[in-house]
Amino acid sequence: QVHLQESGPGLVKPSGTLSLTCTVSGDSISSNKWWSWVRQPPGKGLEWIGEIFHSGSTNYNPSLKSRVMMSVDKSGNQFSLKLSSMTAADTAVYYCARSDCAAGRCALAYWGQGALVTVSS
Amino acid sequence: QSPLTQPASVSGSPGQSITISCTGTISDVGGYRYVSWYQQLPGKAPELIIFDVGNRPSGVSDRFSGSKSGNTASLTISGLLAEDEANYYCSSYTTTNTHVVFGGGTKLTVL
Repeated sequence: QVHLQESGPGLVKPSGTLSLTCTVSGDSISSNKWWSWVRQPPGKGLEWIGEIFHSGSTNYNPSLKSRVMMSVDKSGNQFSLKLSSMTAADTAVYYCARSDCAAGRCALAYWGQGALVTVSS
Repeated sequence: QSPLTQPASVSGSPGQSITISCTGTISDVGGYRYVSWYQQLPGKAPELIIFDVGNRPSGVSDRFSGSKSGNTASLTISGLLAEDEANYYCSSYTTTNTHVVFGGGTKLTVL
């Protein structure tokens, strides 16, 4: 059974950088899958942030591209998200997820439980 | 405003059927069969219930079905149960460089 678990600080200061890690179990981060991040502001809908392949190839949402960086840690079977220049508008539950292929052609079949990140001083 | 348009809410009584629509454009829903639907129970992560317009992942009840006509995809839930009360989101591949777009979500209330 594939399981994903987000971890990281729940509070980020304005203008700071969010750092989240997703630990994968039941699958290898080096498998032929794409690893995504999706966020959901409180009471609102879902927004795709981007995805990464184990080779390091990435696809990012253009609206966030200038502030996003994703990476893979093969030894830890993890992938990570960094989002810089955080504002209150970035307050959201951040989910990691797995897709069988890239760039939206496959659904997000497995999701983590989500991590609430609040931007506040 | 979300790229894909869904009704904010729908309701139905136990045993009835309901349909949730998801309207996009030829650049997303209308042009491809990469439409997915997700169920999000209160306080939980989204769960995939339909992929590629009308396919169900293993373990998802056959009371859930999906279809598409033109630029509009639809999710139908038959034989409504109280446990179906949740938010439902559609998603589609898009030729814009966003790659993935979601609908704004539909809250289903089982009366």
